[in-house]
Amino acid sequence: EAQVTQNPRYLITVTGKKLTVTCSQNMNHEYMSWYRQDPGLGLRQIYYSMNVEVTDKGDVPEGYKVSRKEKRNFPLILESPSPNQTSLYFCASGQRETTYNEQFFGPGTRLTVL
Amino acid sequence: KQEVTQIPAALSVPEGENLVLNCSFTDSAIYNLQWFRQDPGKGLTSLLLIQSSQREQTSGRLNASLDKSSGRSTLYIAASQPGDSATYLCAVRDTGNQFYFGTGTSLTVIP
Repeated sequence: EAQVTQNPRYLITVTGKKLTVTCSQNMNHEYMSWYRQDPGLGLRQIYYSMNVEVTDKGDVPEGYKVSRKEKRNFPLILESPSPNQTSLYFCASGQRETTYNEQFFGPGTRLTVL
Repeated sequence: KQEVTQIPAALSVPEGENLVLNCSFTDSAIYNLQWFRQDPGKGLTSLLLIQSSQREQTSGRLNASLDKSSGRSTLYIAASQPGDSATYLCAVRDTGNQFYFGTGTSLTVIP
């Protein structure tokens, strides 16, 4: 089954404790992306990657890191999480070609930073 | 920077009614526009994608239109059903390959 998977689905942590949220897709997509969703603000793009070893900042990259060492994986790293990073996070993937191709989303990771 | 707005923020209609959801964007330099559906506590499901050169796309009871020059898209839902109740999001892919989302329209279809 074609899908985007994220782990963990739920995470409660404390300020300053490094964490990684994994994202994997099995559709051979070049484009991958991370978003956060907050009430009243909608989805905002954190980072995106057009291909292996290529990453770019989205609208809200501060406090986050990503890496793209393999085509199928795009982990999101919070080196020192803070309470304002409490949010619902989504990973997405799609073909690199710009006009015709949809984004497909993972199920989301709900992160709480105390 | 692209700004995407969706109006109304919430909409409640009786079952069977046809309805229109609106999405506007400030910069017409886009590659495509995509409509999604999000159920409470769930991820996003893609409904329709309109390429920048297209005017509309249809899938079943859904029809999406795009007027790139005026920065507007509409999602038309025919003969609404209670199962259509969800939040509907539009997103544009700009020519820098970034995506920008609206804040969504929360739709309730009353049986």
